[in-house]
Amino acid sequence: GAVVSQHPSWVICKSGTSVKIECRSLDFQATTMFWYRQFPKQSLMLMATSNEGSKATYEQGVEKDKFLINHASLTLSTLTVTSAHPEDSSFYICSAMVASNEKLFFGSGTQLSVL
Amino acid sequence: KQEVTQIPAALSVPEGENLVLNCSFTDSAIYNLQWFRQDPGKGLTSLLLIQSSQREQTSGRLNASLDKSSGRSTLYIAASQPGDSATYLCAVTAGNQFYFGTGTSLTVIP
Repeated sequence: GAVVSQHPSWVICKSGTSVKIECRSLDFQATTMFWYRQFPKQSLMLMATSNEGSKATYEQGVEKDKFLINHASLTLSTLTVTSAHPEDSSFYICSAMVASNEKLFFGSGTQLSVL
Repeated sequence: KQEVTQIPAALSVPEGENLVLNCSFTDSAIYNLQWFRQDPGKGLTSLLLIQSSQREQTSGRLNASLDKSSGRSTLYIAASQPGDSATYLCAVTAGNQFYFGTGTSLTVIP
């Protein structure tokens, strides 16, 4: 099956620093990737939809200047949390969509802890 | 706006029991419905995908049904095992819009 690789799996950083998370589709091309955020015991919250070669579409309430998304190729999307603060600590998951059937394949997630 | 609800929020069953998880959605104009499994701290694993024109899909001990007219889907798990313990989420999709349910936390007791 399709594989989505997400790195890093966990990261600890100091408040004020920026963190980049990568999401790669290893054996298929993903014109659309999604970034989610999950707080403990809550469902995933879609943060943004990333389309290759165009600007990401952010969900209401998500600061696009804080969560920078780049989808420069058909196999790579990155999420950069800029000037991270403790309230940004969360579990971030990416997913890539197979265009032919809209089936989603997910990365393994990144646990971000901001001190 | 599409709203997806899953009932129950948590479920605990003894090993070997058959069980049903429920998912309901408010707008029947969907492209497909997916069921996912999520282990703690992990990304989602896609279990079954039902296209809007289909009524059910089966994979091993899992069977998912879809009734668009009533806005409901069920995930049936036969002969449950401790390894089935996880959170199960359903999601409806319409184009590039995905709407997830809140999930059902399943615990299978050995």
